[in-house]
Amino acid sequence: QLVLTQSPSASASLGASVKLTCTLSSGHSSYAIAWHQQQPEKGPRYLMKLNSDGSHSKGDGIPDRFSGSSSGAERYLTISSLQSEDEADYYCQTWGTGAYVVFGGGTKLTVL
Amino acid sequence: EVQLVQSGAEVKKPGESLKISCKGSGYSFTSYWIGWVRQMPGKGLEWMGIIYPGDSDTRYSPSFQGQVTISADKSISTAYLQWSSLKASDTAMYYCVRSTGDINYWGQGTLVTVSS
Repeated sequence: QLVLTQSPSASASLGASVKLTCTLSSGHSSYAIAWHQQQPEKGPRYLMKLNSDGSHSKGDGIPDRFSGSSSGAERYLTISSLQSEDEADYYCQTWGTGAYVVFGGGTKLTVL
Repeated sequence: EVQLVQSGAEVKKPGESLKISCKGSGYSFTSYWIGWVRQMPGKGLEWMGIIYPGDSDTRYSPSFQGQVTISADKSISTAYLQWSSLKASDTAMYYCVRSTGDINYWGQGTLVTVSS
């Protein structure tokens, strides 16, 4: 079964970097994912598509501070030079056959 | 510029029917899947289902099969999500999305409140 696992919460200091993790279930380590950001009281925003080889393509207007990488079944979102507006929920998302979509449970990022 | 513009907030009573909409623009509406995502208050994102407007091929998440109906009218580049009999537990924000596997565009959301 295709499942994405995320830690419920993370925190980092203003100006620092943080690396969020999304883990694909067993047997699905070759899958690409997408990262989405949801700031408080706003709708989600597409950040990037991240492939299993670590290559990624970002959405319109996404700053260079956001980058992605991969290792095995893990997919990472790194945010550098953290700003207050980066405090948000971050969701990973993937897709299976038949246009079936799966979301991770989301990680709530707190900027200290 | 790709845009998905959703219909406005709705307040309904249990048992009532509802159809909300999502109008796509700035791209070929018939060439991309349009999906629906539910977000209940304070909760995460849940996949409901998806439609390919080009041929109306529709797929549902097992959790939502039989609970909602997804449709599209390609002549006006609009997708729909409808309920025949709302429940209080349908209270949520609903987002339409454009998908090429990865969801790369989101609508602004439609808040549906079901209360007696």
